[in-house]
Amino acid sequence: QKEVEQNSGPLSVPEGAIASLNCTYSDRGSQSFFWYRQYSGKSPELIMFIYSNGDKEDGRFTAQLNKASQYVSLLIRDSQPSDSATYLCAVNPMGGYGNKLVFGAGTILRVKS
Amino acid sequence: DGGITQSPKYLFRKEGQNVTLSCEQNLNHDAMYWYRQDPGQGLRLIYYSQIVNDFQKGDIAEGYSVSREKKESFPLTVTSAQKNPTAFYLCASIGVPKNIQYFGAGTRLSVL
Repeated sequence: QKEVEQNSGPLSVPEGAIASLNCTYSDRGSQSFFWYRQYSGKSPELIMFIYSNGDKEDGRFTAQLNKASQYVSLLIRDSQPSDSATYLCAVNPMGGYGNKLVFGAGTILRVKS
Repeated sequence: DGGITQSPKYLFRKEGQNVTLSCEQNLNHDAMYWYRQDPGQGLRLIYYSQIVNDFQKGDIAEGYSVSREKKESFPLTVTSAQKNPTAFYLCASIGVPKNIQYFGAGTRLSVL
């Protein structure tokens, strides 16, 4: 069983719609959760991180964490063609400084204009 | 500008050759990481180092070696024992207090 699972997609949404990306993880003791965006041929860039249950909003992005159900999601409001990319979910299963992140394989998002 | 610098951007390896990928950071971060990414795949951890002169194997360390003689530098050597080295290699470092990993621009390695 993979430790961090994401639907590979592609997820296609029209411009202006809400894109919803989901991620489940297997280690119930996981402490921190990250969403990275990766454009084709480029390195990942951090867009959101969340540590506590509930929602965290930053501009058009909202991260949602539910530790009891072991999932974390990313909502992108007013999706733009420039949001088309692969979104990687990453989990820090041990907490603490400098420990490993476990990455999902990523979800491809396509925003159609 | 502060950041993580990887070089070269593209690298070609001949059969039986060892090659070294450079990773330098001026962020004063203690922990550094090397990942490998294959097409359509997530990131897989090769090696990581939390302090100078110390490093640990990740999930796919076979055929790779690292050193951490300076805080700023964490070079990765892809040895001839790595039979399928073609991939995108990413270096990352992590800072306090938010424990967030930041990535370099990557090195794309191909076999001639």
